[in-house]
Amino acid sequence: QQQVKQSPQSLIVQKGGISIINCAYENTAFDYFPWYQQFPGKGPALLIAIRPDVSEKKEGRFTISFNKSAKQFSLHIMDSQPGDSATYFCAASKNRETSGSRLTFGEGTQLTVNP
Amino acid sequence: GAGVSQSPRYKVAKRGQDVALRCDPISGHVSLFWYQQALGQGPEFLTYFQNEAQLDKSGLPSDRFFAERPEGSVSTLKIQRTQQEDSAVYLCASSLARVLSYNEQFFGPGTRLTVL
Repeated sequence: QQQVKQSPQSLIVQKGGISIINCAYENTAFDYFPWYQQFPGKGPALLIAIRPDVSEKKEGRFTISFNKSAKQFSLHIMDSQPGDSATYFCAASKNRETSGSRLTFGEGTQLTVNP
Repeated sequence: GAGVSQSPRYKVAKRGQDVALRCDPISGHVSLFWYQQALGQGPEFLTYFQNEAQLDKSGLPSDRFFAERPEGSVSTLKIQRTQQEDSAVYLCASSLARVLSYNEQFFGPGTRLTVL
């Protein structure tokens, strides 16, 4: 069962442009929504995360928008740079005593930023 | 080192062989997770430890997979009688988190397992 769906699968953006990646989730018990960035040969690294009690969170060039009623959230990368080229994963988790905060990941978006 | 380390980084096994993958979490991190990442896919949860206790192993795909963390630090993921479908990157993550908190999970670089 795919509990977190991510789109698009791949994205090509020009330097300076805005990259937008979307995710939708099914389980309303999810209460933590992080985005991870992964470079080839490396493990995922946390980029930014949001809780459902806010609709937007911004950190530098990265912004998460969250729509609880639609069960959707998105990542916006402003002023995209070639160094942002990587695979991005959305994820979701819920606090359960027996499982800590195990992450359920989306399928990933391969972002390419052309110079 | 300051981060999560995993060894070996690459492992090639013949079908039917047993393999053992090691994870060294960040010192002091209570929680440890194993994930499996197939090519072109997002990581999928395998199992979770809080200190030495394996609290959730619901993601392990078969009884050929076994994980342990006997002293609450280093963890080993063992796969017996490997099959071609086991080929994937195995990621380990650790966090300070105890239950009912949302500390960041720090991932290691992974072990790429190829079963021939």
